[in-house]
Amino acid sequence: DSGVTQTPKHLITATGQRVTLRCSPRSGDLSVYWYQQSLDQGLQFLIQYYNGEERAKGNILERFSAQQFPDLHSELNLSSLELGDSALYFCASSARQGANEKLFFGSGTQLSVL
Amino acid sequence: AQSVTQLDSHVSVSEGTPVLLRCNYSSSYSPSLFWYVQHPNKGLQLLLKYTSAATLVKGINGFEAEFKKSETSFHLTKPSAHMSDAAEYFCVVSDIWQGGKLIFGQGTELSVKP
Repeated sequence: DSGVTQTPKHLITATGQRVTLRCSPRSGDLSVYWYQQSLDQGLQFLIQYYNGEERAKGNILERFSAQQFPDLHSELNLSSLELGDSALYFCASSARQGANEKLFFGSGTQLSVL
Repeated sequence: AQSVTQLDSHVSVSEGTPVLLRCNYSSSYSPSLFWYVQHPNKGLQLLLKYTSAATLVKGINGFEAEFKKSETSFHLTKPSAHMSDAAEYFCVVSDIWQGGKLIFGQGTELSVKP
């Protein structure tokens, strides 16, 4: 158990809908990362937050947004969903930010868009 | 730009034989490199990391990796494969210019035959 909690584990929805994925980092970790894992793109970095502030942005679509709350949990919002958004979404946390930080990954949220 | 290339998408070994998973990196400066493992239906787990200390890095479950700057390689090895090693393995480089975001290779699926 990594200590990172993601909910829900599975999500099935329809095209055009909006969903929210939730991540609770390990106790004391200030940095939260979101990754998308799909069959064709592999693991792609989406976005990183550190202590409530956005710190790095990757291949995140404009239809997607995220935030980190004062209690340090994070939410990833996906809107106007398309079939291609079906993927496994991982959240990870680390104590701080930086190249040498060890990331702890949650078990992911499997999103299926029908 | 930094990148990693995993040279094999699938490796199959027999139980008790050595494991070699190959990874080459591209970086204009001394990188931070990691190997992560993903077991079926589970999140990602850090196996080991290289951060410019010793070039031979020992990780969990008997895995180790050697950083070879001259070859720009960071291959993962294990002397004797176990059935429980069957999983997907990711070679990862950390981008220090973007808060340490991780850039993942495409992954190598390791199969272990009895």
